[in-house]
Amino acid sequence: NAGVTQTPKFQVLKTGQSMTLQCAQDMNHEYMSWYRQDPGMGLRLIHYSVGAGITDQGEVPNGYNVSRSTTEDFPLRLLSAAPSQTSVYFCASSSGTAMTYGYTFGSGTRLTVV
Amino acid sequence: GENVEQHPSTLSVQEGDSAVIKCTYSDSASNYFPWYKQELGKRPQLIIDIRSNVGEKKDQRIAVTLNKTAKHFSLHITETQPEDSAVYFCAATLDTGFQKLVFGTGTRLLVSP
Repeated sequence: NAGVTQTPKFQVLKTGQSMTLQCAQDMNHEYMSWYRQDPGMGLRLIHYSVGAGITDQGEVPNGYNVSRSTTEDFPLRLLSAAPSQTSVYFCASSSGTAMTYGYTFGSGTRLTVV
Repeated sequence: GENVEQHPSTLSVQEGDSAVIKCTYSDSASNYFPWYKQELGKRPQLIIDIRSNVGEKKDQRIAVTLNKTAKHFSLHITETQPEDSAVYFCAATLDTGFQKLVFGTGTRLLVSP
């Protein structure tokens, strides 16, 4: 049981490049989400999903796309990377509401856009 | 939407002292308030939470209090130890649907031996 697995752990991109951050969970959790963490700003919700085929926007969705074709995977796509997207990205999953089941976070992806 | 403010941004204490971190929230409908601890380079981990129908909750050296009238909640750590050094985040959410957690900006706690 690996929990929530994020890859890669570190990535450097050039402005304008695209890439996909991978997130996989093996706990059969329905709820998955992506957060970005910036110094002095806490964690902010980018996109989330309440089940396969269902996604919605969070607080800071611009510049990011997501899809949820399976319960296990929730990739985050950067379409055209910008320096403002330099951040640490966390994927989280839950079997239900945060109050009842809590969130399990992945170990994070540190992204630098130059 | 919900907005969560957290203070202080940094907190330095001596080992054995108590530490208090305070958060205020804006949406009076919020009813769930978790606290996460993030050690350097690690993922956030839930350490304690409180629901709006409870005024205080304790777990060993950690306690959380909630004042719904004033819309603020606090984390209390007693008998601090060096391993308590980390960044602590508060959060708030409504217990409906997905429950979008809105996080505070974090408090860096440093416990000196």
